[in-house]
Amino acid sequence: DVKVTQSSRYLVKRTGEKVFLECVQDMDHENMFWYRQDPGLGLRLIYFSYDVKMKEKGDIPEGYSVSREKKERFSLILESASTNQTSMYLCASSLKLTSIPVDTQYFGPGTRLTVL
Amino acid sequence: SQQGEEDPQALSIQEGENATMNCSYKTSINNLQWYRQNSGRGLVHLILIRSNEREKHSGRLRVTLDTSKKSSSLLITASRAADTASYFCATDEENSGYSTLTFGKGTMLLVSP
Repeated sequence: DVKVTQSSRYLVKRTGEKVFLECVQDMDHENMFWYRQDPGLGLRLIYFSYDVKMKEKGDIPEGYSVSREKKERFSLILESASTNQTSMYLCASSLKLTSIPVDTQYFGPGTRLTVL
Repeated sequence: SQQGEEDPQALSIQEGENATMNCSYKTSINNLQWYRQNSGRGLVHLILIRSNEREKHSGRLRVTLDTSKKSSSLLITASRAADTASYFCATDEENSGYSTLTFGKGTMLLVSP
């Protein structure tokens, strides 16, 4: 079974802090994704990566950056956390990105981040 | 970006009843997927239907796709309390030359014993 793990289930940070959310997958997937999920807004794609050291902006990249130094690990970075970044953050991975049709995504359990 | 829209937003039924959720989308797709999310957890893939398929079954799940109406439905038969969760449809779209998934806002299903 594919396993996607996220470093924390719950995280509380203060405004202005630098925040790192880590995601690790164990199935040698090329593609990894970061979403945020908010009530009434559903899941929105922040960034994705189709290879090591490669990244692409999703629909809402402002205020975030990412890092993918190793194939299995994809980090989401909030350079200076703000209260409007309080949300549930979900990481996902999939086998192929350029294939048609798009592959199934496997999700981690999520990190609920609160910024005070 | 296009987004699937699920309908209804919330659905409450009794155990043993069938639950039907609908999804509409805006542009042409290659496939449509359904995911389930238990409260406070990550999403779990349920079923994928390709654009050239009209119906697909998996256990108690039945998915239909009508590309002419740009809509899909998910039917859960003989529902159980354990089916209580949110259900999302997701469609593929092109994003910076790559295909990514766009999720709807979900249908929250409550199955009472």
